[in-house]
Amino acid sequence: EDKVVQSPLSLVVHEGDTVTLNCSYEVTNFRSLLWYKQEKKAPTFLFMLTSSGIEKKSGRLSSILDKKELFSILNITATQTGDSAVYLCAVEAWGSGNTGKLIFGQGTTLQVKP
Amino acid sequence: NAGVTQTPKFRVLKTGQSMTLLCAQDMNHEYMYWYRQDPGMGLRLIHYSVGEGTTAKGEVPDGYNVSRLKKQNFLLGLESAAPSQTSVYFCASRKLRDWNYEQYFGPGTRLTVT
Repeated sequence: EDKVVQSPLSLVVHEGDTVTLNCSYEVTNFRSLLWYKQEKKAPTFLFMLTSSGIEKKSGRLSSILDKKELFSILNITATQTGDSAVYLCAVEAWGSGNTGKLIFGQGTTLQVKP
Repeated sequence: NAGVTQTPKFRVLKTGQSMTLLCAQDMNHEYMYWYRQDPGMGLRLIHYSVGEGTTAKGEVPDGYNVSRLKKQNFLLGLESAAPSQTSVYFCASRKLRDWNYEQYFGPGTRLTVT
């Protein structure tokens, strides 16, 4: 059975700290891994990763994928209170019908204190 | 361009009542999805559609039905609501275009069944 596991489940840091969120997966016929940020409402897209070792970067956020060890990390440097959110990892697998279905992890709740 | 919209935003039902959640997207996306989100469990796929007139079961389909009569709309029905269906429901849509597989999410519907 395909599954995605995130760790830690929750994290409390202070402004300025650097955090690393983890996502491991067991998926048959892996296609891509996506990171989303969710602040009380709809998840918003952060990154899509399909190739190992290529870092994606957006401001203070960066992410990388390791397809050999089956995990991804999301780094946030110089955290701000606005980074407080639930961070979701999702994986898509190749399958018949090309359905685009995503398998989500449980999410990591990040709280950044001033 | 409104993106993905959901109605209603909130609803309280009594056990045994029925209701329909409406999802609409104006991005001409072929694929649409219904998820539910419960505390500590990430997002779980209920049903999905890969095109007008077609639907398929996801991870947790029991107790729900769906219809996709028009490309831009995806309806989620609860025929006889149960307290276990208390959750936040998210709709998402996606267009497969080369390697762009991002899903766009609606704002969510918070449903309470008493």
